[in-house]
Amino acid sequence: QQPVQSPQAVILREGEDAVINCSSSKALYSVHWYRQKHGEAPVFLMILLKGGEQKGHDKISASFNEKKQQSSLYLTASQLSYSGTYFCGTELNTGNQFYFGTGTSLTVIP
Amino acid sequence: KAGVTQTPRYLIKTRGQQVTLSCSPISGHRSVSWYQQTPGQGLQFLFEYFSETQRNKGNFPGRFSGRQFSNSRSEMNVSTLELGDSALYLCASSAGRSYTNEKLFFGSGTQLSVL
Repeated sequence: QQPVQSPQAVILREGEDAVINCSSSKALYSVHWYRQKHGEAPVFLMILLKGGEQKGHDKISASFNEKKQQSSLYLTASQLSYSGTYFCGTELNTGNQFYFGTGTSLTVIP
Repeated sequence: KAGVTQTPRYLIKTRGQQVTLSCSPISGHRSVSWYQQTPGQGLQFLFEYFSETQRNKGNFPGRFSGRQFSNSRSEMNVSTLELGDSALYLCASSAGRSYTNEKLFFGSGTQLSVL
């Protein structure tokens, strides 16, 4: 039931774009995205609800494809501060069950 | 508003011992969930409490248990520690009982090392 994230790791240069995918084998009701910097607690980025909505703030946005049970996180014009591990969290349609993905390590270099 | 507080920050135990970790949620939050984080495994769900009731439990052995008090503070206990229990244990709180529109606020975690 743990969603699978891809890629596992990515290295970018400042200004480049990246896409992180989160796929589930179960029907999803909502998807959360969090970022964890080394040695720190995960921090909330956004929630996407069933219905295929797309959300974003600053240069980070995400989409939710209900048919594919997949969410994608888009980071555009990456900055050094984007470095960290990104986790998706998935709420199953069955309700009250929430599982985090395997994580994607993102490193932005000058 | 104070954030989620976890104590202790670091813990070293030996195999066979037991350990209790504490989590104080953000004031007013009634839901607390616990996660085990190890390299390569991401965040593994342990259990979740809402208003002193365990709502969900992850796929962990019975050595892992928890509880929530009337003030929403939560404790997690691991008995008969094994080397594989070494991990960062994170707790998260949220205001309501649904994940749909409630973001999770995480504590800094307790780093447990079992020798």
